[in-house]
Amino acid sequence: DQQVKQNSPSLSVQEGRISILNCDYTNSMFDYFLWYKKYPAEGPTFLISISSIKDKNEDGRFTVFLNKSAKHLSLHIVPSQPGDSAVYFCAVLNAGGTSYGKLTFGQGTILTVHP
Amino acid sequence: EAGVVQSPRYKIIEKKQPVAFWCNPISGHNTLYWYLQNLGQGPELLIRYENEEAVDDSQLPKDRFSAERLKGVDSTLKIQPAELGDSAVYLCASSSDRAEQYFGPGTRLTVT
Repeated sequence: DQQVKQNSPSLSVQEGRISILNCDYTNSMFDYFLWYKKYPAEGPTFLISISSIKDKNEDGRFTVFLNKSAKHLSLHIVPSQPGDSAVYFCAVLNAGGTSYGKLTFGQGTILTVHP
Repeated sequence: EAGVVQSPRYKIIEKKQPVAFWCNPISGHNTLYWYLQNLGQGPELLIRYENEEAVDDSQLPKDRFSAERLKGVDSTLKIQPAELGDSAVYLCASSSDRAEQYFGPGTRLTVT
């Protein structure tokens, strides 16, 4: 039972265009949502997050949108740069129960930005 | 500020052998996590420590996996005996709050 799904294994975009990465979750107990970026042979690096009380958070070229009714979040990168090429993971945080504080990750989306 | 340090970076062992991974978290981070990442998947939590206490080890296969964080700083994850299916990347992370976790580079384990 996958609680966090990234349905697109890969995404290819042209430099300068927008990259949109999507993530769906099933559990309404999740209250904090994060995006991580991973280069080969490195650990994931925190990118941006959003609390469940907001629907948008922006940091430079990166914006995360949260649609709680649809249990969907997305990451927008504008403009995309070749250095953004990496694997992007969405992650959700458990707000309560025995798994309080636990991060659950999606499967990842490989983003390739072509010059 | 130094990041999360893990060693070794790569390890190749034969099945049924023991193996151990070491992690030193970011200074001041009380919470330490061990994750398992299989190819093409996201990290999956194995165990979480708050200081020296394991507060969530529900996903740790306790028949062969063990972990310790004796002084509430660095930590060791052990597998004994290793199986072919244990081949994966083992990631350590730390945090000072419950949300933003900082990951080490991981240890890539290959069991032959």
